[in-house]
Amino acid sequence: DAKTTQPPSMDCAEGRAANLPCNHSTISGNEYVYWYRQIHSQGPQYIIHGLKNNETNEMASLIITEDRKSSTLILPHATLRDTAVYYCIVRDYYSNTGNQFYFGTGTSLTVIP
Amino acid sequence: GAGVSQSPRYKVAKRGQDVALRCDPISGHVSLFWYQQALGQGPEFLTYFQNEAQLDKSGLPSDRFFAERPEGSVSTLKIQRTQQEDSAVYLCASSPSGDRGLIYEQYFGPGTRLTVT
Repeated sequence: DAKTTQPPSMDCAEGRAANLPCNHSTISGNEYVYWYRQIHSQGPQYIIHGLKNNETNEMASLIITEDRKSSTLILPHATLRDTAVYYCIVRDYYSNTGNQFYFGTGTSLTVIP
Repeated sequence: GAGVSQSPRYKVAKRGQDVALRCDPISGHVSLFWYQQALGQGPEFLTYFQNEAQLDKSGLPSDRFFAERPEGSVSTLKIQRTQQEDSAVYLCASSPSGDRGLIYEQYFGPGTRLTVT
């Protein structure tokens, strides 16, 4: 079962930062936070992951609170192509029980022109 | 480079027919996953292969579902005697990571949309 809670939908104006929240209050010490997104009619796409430090790559930034019970994915300058469903997933980084991800229902982000 | 490919992209089957869905993972990727995605829901795990070994099939919904990866590359998901509730998008993903190792990101194919009438 998904261990995360996300708002079902959000809007963001084109060119503005999109801040997508995720609650993971039961996260354990070995669990990383992963973000994927799924554009309509495509397979999910990896965005970023992190443990406790903030992370940034060419796509987004991930801000994790100090207690690790919540995080925020930031798309710094949203474009229309960022309209998608965004999934926040927590998962053991080291696992010997299989590598599946539990996606939940995610947040549907709509970028408005 | 080439990503994960799946075929066919769309499949319509009459109830009771058998179907076979193909996945071509990224070359050299050890791990391969199948997911089922119902309309409006997130992907749900079906099964996992490390090379040719099926290490986890806990998500397969019934014994009508069968997956194989005989040579550790291409995989086929077979559904026997399809039912209407099998209508969904079936996603395949591959990853360079293996068992007891780091969980790297998964690379997904575009999916096969199965409609059972």
